[in-house]
Amino acid sequence: AQSVTQLDSQVPVFEEAPVELRCNYSSSVSVYLFWYVQYPNQGLQLLLKYLSGSTLVKSINGFEAEFNKSQTSFHLRKPSVHISDTAEYFCAVILSGGSYIPTFGRGTSLIVHP
Amino acid sequence: NAGVMQNPRHLVRRRGQEARLRCSPMKGHSHVYWYRQLPEEGLKFMVYLQKENIIDESGMPKERFSAEFPKEGPSILRIQQVVRGDSAAYFCASSSPPASYEQYFGPGTRLTVT
Repeated sequence: AQSVTQLDSQVPVFEEAPVELRCNYSSSVSVYLFWYVQYPNQGLQLLLKYLSGSTLVKSINGFEAEFNKSQTSFHLRKPSVHISDTAEYFCAVILSGGSYIPTFGRGTSLIVHP
Repeated sequence: NAGVMQNPRHLVRRRGQEARLRCSPMKGHSHVYWYRQLPEEGLKFMVYLQKENIIDESGMPKERFSAEFPKEGPSILRIQQVVRGDSAAYFCASSSPPASYEQYFGPGTRLTVT
């Protein structure tokens, strides 16, 4: 069975600083990888995904993540964060060729200070 | 173009009562997923339904919990004889056929059992 580990439960950072949210997974088969963002009192929104092709994927609001197969990681990065990026971020994995049901990590709370 | 709708947004029940959570998927979507989120935990899959069919209920507790997605109307997650441990946020997501890796989440129902 697959699992997802988000090593940091909270990441405090100052506005305009860079940030990296870590995600590692374990699986014996190929996977598809996702990052979701959850703003307070809202549902999850898909931020970006890796299905195939280029291992570097980007979102429209400046986030990017790189699939590293050898390290089984899919870390999320942003070179300069805004106050509005304060939210909970969830990494998720779906087994290639399996069901369409994702396994989620526990989430990382990104807190951006002015 | 309405997104995934869930109601109620907040639900308070006393121990032993029944809780009914409703989810209306996005227009054109016929796949519905229910998840539970406990404080400081990620989302845990509960059940995957298509119209009039339960596809995967491997995450559902064996007792007191049931789900349906009738031909007409919203999907319902039903919790009988609620206990304090059922207090959580319950999220519904939908996807379009054929089954897709992209799920669209509703805002959630926050259940509090007193």
